[in-house]
Amino acid sequence: DAKTTQPNSMESNEEEPVHLPCNHSTISGTDYIHWYRQLPSQGPEYVIHGLTSNVNNRMASLAIAEDRKSSTLILHRATLRDAAVYYCILRAYSGSARQLTFGSGTQLTVLP
Amino acid sequence: DTEVTQTPKHLVMGMTNKKSLKCEQHMGHRAMYWYKQKAKKPPELMFVYSYEKLSINESVPSRFSPECPNSSLLNLHLHALQPEDSALYLCASSPSRGGRAGELFFGEGSRLTVL
Repeated sequence: DAKTTQPNSMESNEEEPVHLPCNHSTISGTDYIHWYRQLPSQGPEYVIHGLTSNVNNRMASLAIAEDRKSSTLILHRATLRDAAVYYCILRAYSGSARQLTFGSGTQLTVLP
Repeated sequence: DTEVTQTPKHLVMGMTNKKSLKCEQHMGHRAMYWYKQKAKKPPELMFVYSYEKLSINESVPSRFSPECPNSSLLNLHLHALQPEDSALYLCASSPSRGGRAGELFFGEGSRLTVL
Protein backbone atom coordinates (compact mmCIF):
# COMPACT_ATOMS: atom_id res chain seq x y z
CA ASP A 1 0.00 0.00 0.00
CA ALA A 2 1.23 3.48 -0.77
CA LYS A 3 2.17 5.43 2.36
CA THR A 4 2.00 9.05 3.39
CA THR A 5 4.47 11.10 5.41
CA GLN A 6 3.41 14.13 7.45
CA PRO A 7 5.09 16.31 10.08
CA ASN A 8 4.15 15.20 13.60
CA SER A 9 3.02 18.64 14.67
CA MET A 10 2.53 22.21 13.47
CA GLU A 11 1.50 25.48 15.05
CA SER A 12 -0.45 28.35 13.60
CA ASN A 13 -1.77 31.67 14.82
CA GLU A 14 -5.48 32.24 14.82
CA GLU A 15 -6.90 33.86 11.65
CA GLU A 16 -3.75 33.11 9.67
CA PRO A 17 -3.48 30.60 6.82
CA VAL A 18 -2.13 27.14 7.52
CA HIS A 19 -0.38 24.91 5.01
CA LEU A 20 -0.25 21.24 6.04
CA PRO A 21 2.12 19.21 3.84
CA CYS A 22 1.96 15.54 2.92
CA ASN A 23 4.40 13.41 0.94
CA HIS A 24 3.21 10.33 -0.93
CA SER A 25 6.03 9.45 -3.31
CA THR A 26 4.75 5.91 -4.02
CA ILE A 27 1.24 7.00 -5.00
CA SER A 28 -0.28 5.04 -7.87
CA GLY A 29 -2.16 6.56 -10.77
CA THR A 30 -5.56 5.58 -9.43
CA ASP A 31 -5.08 6.64 -5.79
CA TYR A 32 -7.17 9.53 -4.57
CA ILE A 33 -5.70 11.83 -1.93
CA HIS A 34 -8.03 12.25 1.05
CA TRP A 35 -7.73 14.48 4.09
CA TYR A 36 -9.54 13.84 7.33
CA ARG A 37 -9.27 15.53 10.68
CA GLN A 38 -9.97 14.30 14.16
CA LEU A 39 -10.96 16.72 16.87
CA PRO A 40 -10.42 15.71 20.49
CA SER A 41 -12.83 13.00 21.69
CA GLN A 42 -14.47 12.67 18.28
CA GLY A 43 -14.30 10.35 15.30
CA PRO A 44 -12.43 11.51 12.19
CA GLU A 45 -14.31 13.77 9.79
CA TYR A 46 -13.84 14.20 6.08
CA VAL A 47 -12.17 17.44 4.96
CA ILE A 48 -11.44 17.20 1.24
CA HIS A 49 -10.15 14.90 -1.46
CA GLY A 50 -8.70 15.10 -4.96
CA LEU A 51 -7.05 13.13 -7.74
CA THR A 52 -4.97 15.46 -9.91
CA SER A 53 -6.43 18.96 -9.89
CA ASN A 54 -6.51 21.41 -7.01
CA VAL A 55 -9.80 21.32 -5.10
CA ASN A 56 -11.68 23.83 -2.98
CA ASN A 57 -14.59 23.42 -0.60
CA ARG A 58 -16.06 25.36 2.29
CA MET A 59 -13.59 23.87 4.76
CA ALA A 60 -10.28 23.98 2.93
CA SER A 61 -8.30 23.84 -0.30
CA LEU A 62 -6.17 20.97 -1.55
CA ALA A 63 -3.14 21.69 -3.69
CA ILE A 64 -1.71 18.64 -5.49
CA ALA A 65 1.77 18.67 -7.01
CA GLU A 66 2.00 18.09 -10.73
CA ASP A 67 3.79 14.75 -10.20
CA ARG A 68 1.25 13.86 -7.46
CA LYS A 69 4.04 12.89 -5.07
CA SER A 70 3.00 15.51 -2.56
CA SER A 71 -0.01 17.59 -1.60
CA THR A 72 -0.84 20.45 0.75
CA LEU A 73 -4.00 21.06 2.74
CA ILE A 74 -4.67 24.76 3.09
CA LEU A 75 -6.85 26.23 5.83
CA HIS A 76 -7.36 29.81 4.75
CA ARG A 77 -8.01 31.31 8.19
CA ALA A 78 -7.31 29.04 11.11
CA THR A 79 -9.65 29.19 14.08
CA LEU A 80 -9.30 27.63 17.52
CA ARG A 81 -11.87 25.04 16.41
CA ASP A 82 -9.45 23.85 13.71
CA ALA A 83 -7.08 22.44 16.34
CA ALA A 84 -7.07 18.73 15.52
CA VAL A 85 -5.01 15.87 14.10
CA TYR A 86 -5.03 16.08 10.31
CA TYR A 87 -4.59 12.86 8.36
CA CYS A 88 -3.46 12.64 4.75
CA ILE A 89 -4.62 9.34 3.30
CA LEU A 90 -4.41 7.57 -0.03
CA ARG A 91 -7.64 5.85 -0.95
CA ALA A 92 -6.96 2.40 -2.32
CA TYR A 93 -9.56 0.34 -4.10
CA SER A 94 -9.78 -3.18 -2.78
CA GLY A 95 -12.28 -5.64 -4.17
CA SER A 96 -15.82 -4.44 -3.74
CA ALA A 97 -15.11 -1.86 -1.04
CA ARG A 98 -12.75 1.02 -0.84
CA GLN A 99 -10.57 1.29 2.23
CA LEU A 100 -8.62 4.09 3.81
CA THR A 101 -5.36 3.43 5.62
CA PHE A 102 -4.50 6.27 7.97
CA GLY A 103 -0.98 7.64 8.26
CA SER A 104 0.44 9.09 11.46
CA GLY A 105 -1.14 12.53 11.02
CA THR A 106 -0.18 16.09 11.96
CA GLN A 107 -1.28 17.59 15.26
CA LEU A 108 -2.26 21.19 14.51
CA THR A 109 -2.16 23.65 17.40
CA VAL A 110 -3.84 27.01 16.83
CA LEU A 111 -2.59 29.81 19.04
CA PRO A 112 -4.92 32.67 20.03
CA ASP B 1 -29.60 12.32 8.59
CA THR B 2 -25.82 12.21 8.21
CA GLU B 3 -24.99 10.43 11.44
CA VAL B 4 -23.32 7.21 12.40
CA THR B 5 -24.45 6.24 15.87
CA GLN B 6 -22.37 3.99 18.08
CA THR B 7 -23.42 2.39 21.35
CA PRO B 8 -22.34 2.14 24.06
CA LYS B 9 -20.06 5.18 24.30
CA HIS B 10 -18.10 3.54 27.10
CA LEU B 11 -17.72 -0.12 28.01
CA VAL B 12 -15.74 -1.80 30.77
CA MET B 13 -15.45 -5.57 30.64
CA GLY B 14 -13.51 -8.39 32.20
CA MET B 15 -11.42 -10.82 30.19
CA THR B 16 -14.05 -13.56 30.49
CA ASN B 17 -17.04 -11.41 29.50
CA LYS B 18 -18.93 -11.40 26.24
CA LYS B 19 -20.14 -8.02 25.03
CA SER B 20 -21.07 -6.33 21.78
CA LEU B 21 -20.57 -2.93 20.20
CA LYS B 22 -23.29 -1.60 17.93
CA CYS B 23 -23.21 0.81 15.00
CA GLU B 24 -26.16 2.19 13.06
CA GLN B 25 -26.54 4.47 10.04
CA HIS B 26 -29.56 5.46 7.98
CA MET B 27 -27.81 7.16 5.07
CA GLY B 28 -28.27 4.20 2.75
CA HIS B 29 -24.55 3.48 2.73
CA ARG B 30 -23.67 -0.06 1.67
CA ALA B 31 -20.09 -0.13 2.97
CA MET B 32 -19.41 -0.22 6.70
CA TYR B 33 -16.14 -0.37 8.62
CA TRP B 34 -14.67 -1.08 12.01
CA TYR B 35 -11.48 0.73 13.05
CA LYS B 36 -9.48 0.43 16.26
CA GLN B 37 -7.65 3.44 17.68
CA LYS B 38 -5.16 3.37 20.53
CA ALA B 39 -4.27 6.56 22.38
CA LYS B 40 -2.18 9.03 20.34
CA LYS B 41 -2.22 6.67 17.33
CA PRO B 42 -4.11 6.77 14.01
CA PRO B 43 -7.12 4.54 13.45
CA GLU B 44 -6.31 1.04 12.22
CA LEU B 45 -8.68 -0.76 9.89
CA MET B 46 -10.14 -4.01 11.26
CA PHE B 47 -13.05 -5.05 9.02
CA VAL B 48 -14.92 -3.86 5.96
CA TYR B 49 -18.42 -4.95 4.97
CA SER B 50 -19.73 -4.31 1.49
CA TYR B 51 -23.41 -4.99 0.75
CA GLU B 52 -23.65 -6.90 4.05
CA LYS B 53 -20.80 -9.23 3.12
CA LEU B 54 -17.42 -9.25 4.84
CA SER B 55 -14.93 -8.09 2.23
CA ILE B 56 -11.84 -7.24 4.29
CA ASN B 57 -10.52 -8.73 7.53
CA GLU B 58 -7.17 -7.21 8.43
CA SER B 59 -5.94 -10.33 10.25
CA VAL B 60 -7.95 -9.49 13.32
CA PRO B 61 -7.90 -12.08 16.16
CA SER B 62 -10.98 -14.28 16.38
CA ARG B 63 -11.91 -12.84 19.76
CA PHE B 64 -13.36 -9.99 17.66
CA SER B 65 -16.33 -11.16 15.60
CA PRO B 66 -18.10 -8.74 13.25
CA GLU B 67 -21.67 -9.07 12.10
CA CYS B 68 -23.73 -7.09 9.61
CA PRO B 69 -27.37 -8.17 10.09
CA ASN B 70 -28.73 -5.62 7.60
CA SER B 71 -27.60 -2.64 5.57
CA SER B 72 -28.06 -0.21 8.47
CA LEU B 73 -26.48 -2.15 11.31
CA LEU B 74 -22.98 -3.32 12.14
CA ASN B 75 -22.04 -5.17 15.29
CA LEU B 76 -18.72 -6.14 16.81
CA HIS B 77 -18.95 -9.08 19.21
CA LEU B 78 -16.25 -9.26 21.85
CA HIS B 79 -15.20 -12.37 23.74
CA ALA B 80 -12.18 -13.27 25.87
CA LEU B 81 -10.47 -9.96 25.25
CA GLN B 82 -7.09 -8.97 26.62
CA PRO B 83 -6.18 -5.73 28.42
CA GLU B 84 -4.21 -4.63 25.34
CA ASP B 85 -7.49 -4.62 23.40
CA SER B 86 -8.52 -1.54 25.36
CA ALA B 87 -8.99 1.20 22.76
CA LEU B 88 -11.47 3.44 20.98
CA TYR B 89 -13.46 1.43 18.45
CA LEU B 90 -14.70 3.50 15.56
CA CYS B 91 -17.43 2.60 13.12
CA ALA B 92 -17.70 4.25 9.72
CA SER B 93 -19.87 4.00 6.64
CA SER B 94 -19.48 5.18 3.08
CA PRO B 95 -21.62 5.40 -0.04
CA SER B 96 -20.63 3.01 -2.77
CA ARG B 97 -21.78 5.21 -5.62
CA GLY B 98 -22.20 8.85 -6.49
CA GLY B 99 -20.11 11.92 -5.92
CA ARG B 100 -19.32 11.05 -2.30
CA ALA B 101 -18.38 7.44 -2.97
CA GLY B 102 -15.53 6.36 -0.75
CA GLU B 103 -15.94 9.25 1.70
CA LEU B 104 -16.08 7.81 5.22
CA PHE B 105 -18.58 9.02 7.79
CA PHE B 106 -17.41 8.14 11.29
CA GLY B 107 -19.24 7.69 14.54
CA GLU B 108 -17.86 9.11 17.78
CA GLY B 109 -16.59 5.71 18.83
CA SER B 110 -17.00 3.26 21.71
CA ARG B 111 -14.27 3.48 24.32
CA LEU B 112 -13.50 -0.02 25.56
CA THR B 113 -11.59 -0.86 28.71
CA VAL B 114 -10.66 -4.48 29.38
CA LEU B 115 -9.74 -5.28 32.97
